[in-house]
Amino acid sequence: AQSVTQLGSHVSVSEGALVLLRCNYSSSVPPYLFWYVQYPNQGLQLLLKYTSAATLVKGINGFEAEFKKSETSFHLTKPSAHMSDAAEYFCAVGRGSNFGNEKLTFGTGTRLTIIP
Amino acid sequence: DTEVTQTPKHLVMGMTNKKSLKCEQHMGHRAMYWYKQKAKKPPELMFVYSYEKLSINESVPSRFSPECPNSSLLNLHLHALQPEDSALYLCASSGQGAGSPLHFGNGTRLTVT
Repeated sequence: AQSVTQLGSHVSVSEGALVLLRCNYSSSVPPYLFWYVQYPNQGLQLLLKYTSAATLVKGINGFEAEFKKSETSFHLTKPSAHMSDAAEYFCAVGRGSNFGNEKLTFGTGTRLTIIP
Repeated sequence: DTEVTQTPKHLVMGMTNKKSLKCEQHMGHRAMYWYKQKAKKPPELMFVYSYEKLSINESVPSRFSPECPNSSLLNLHLHALQPEDSALYLCASSGQGAGSPLHFGNGTRLTVT
């Protein structure tokens, strides 16, 4: 079984400040980990993914995440927040299947607010 | 612009209506998904098609009926829905290989009256 815990359902940061969104996972096999962003009235957009290559993963819009096996974490960071980063962020864990699809388990989400 | 296209963007239907949601992708993906998302919640998996065959049904009520006519199209047929079925319905697709990310459409906002 696999699961994801996102600590903090709401995070507020000032414009220009560091963004840190926390994600811890549980998986009985080596996981594939993803961060998605959802803007209002839109679908989910992939920010970045970890698939057992480099532990530091760079994504779009200046975001990056570090896979730490010892801490079972995959926290999302951005050095300097921008107003356009305000959105809902979902961490997800998957492990693939023999059917050529990916069954993802999503965290409950973190709403990021940027303070001008 | 999203590479997964969903129509319609909004749909209002009565409990006795029959309607369909449509999804199309041209990325050559062979896995397609339907998710349901309630406000302020994560997406919940409903169905997965792999190579046009239904591979996962997450115990979804029979008033939701999926269909995959070909590798690019995915439909969700709706009949006798309840007001609690009002939600954002998201379609997604993914390529082959473990760890392939899902690509989501912008969803259909469904309201059942």
